[in-house]
Amino acid sequence: SQQGEEDPQALSIQEGENATMNCSYKTSINNLQWYRQNSGRGLVHLILIRSNEREKHSGRLRVTLDTSKKSSSLLITASRAADTASYFCATVGYTGANSKLTFGKGITLSVRP
Amino acid sequence: DAGITQSPRHKVTETGTPVTLRCHQTENHRYMYWYRQDPGHGLRLIHYSYGVKDTDKGEVSDGYSVSRSKTEDFLLTLESATSSQTSVYFCAIRAIFVGPQHFGDGTRLSIL
Repeated sequence: SQQGEEDPQALSIQEGENATMNCSYKTSINNLQWYRQNSGRGLVHLILIRSNEREKHSGRLRVTLDTSKKSSSLLITASRAADTASYFCATVGYTGANSKLTFGKGITLSVRP
Repeated sequence: DAGITQSPRHKVTETGTPVTLRCHQTENHRYMYWYRQDPGHGLRLIHYSYGVKDTDKGEVSDGYSVSRSKTEDFLLTLESATSSQTSVYFCAIRAIFVGPQHFGDGTRLSIL
């Protein structure tokens, strides 16, 4: 069963606008990760945020984590047409040495030129 | 990009036939994973490996088996393919157990 649930399921914005995507989860986590998937390709890791971190930046990406609300958000600033892709959040729980990633169903982002 | 190669990239086969998908890595990572991706379900873990000859089941392991005889190769076998196993299959590798995963470009498998 999916741990992360992304919201919205689909998002369409104009180039230059900011895109905000949300993820909620149900159980305690070690860390939360965001991935991007372009059509016909594998997932690409974007950013990892640990449970003791509240915010992290990478280029035009900003991720926040609120463990009290069990939620995370991914902000892409100044979006570009090349950001068009599906975005997934994935959680890593405290399940011992062989902890696994549990993915949400993804958000489809369309950035219009 | 992480060195992960999946083969074949596309395959069409018939119900009841055995199918083996291969994942090859050049990163010497300990952990390897097989997922399937279906519309409306996201990515679901089939099997994973935490070392040579060490494997375990994921959430959708029925009808699948895996083998890992050397660090670089992780094989996924459908013993007797069914139409419900039509999907896109992704292999992923990970260096440390709570770190990010790196994915191959997938195998699109159609079972008629």
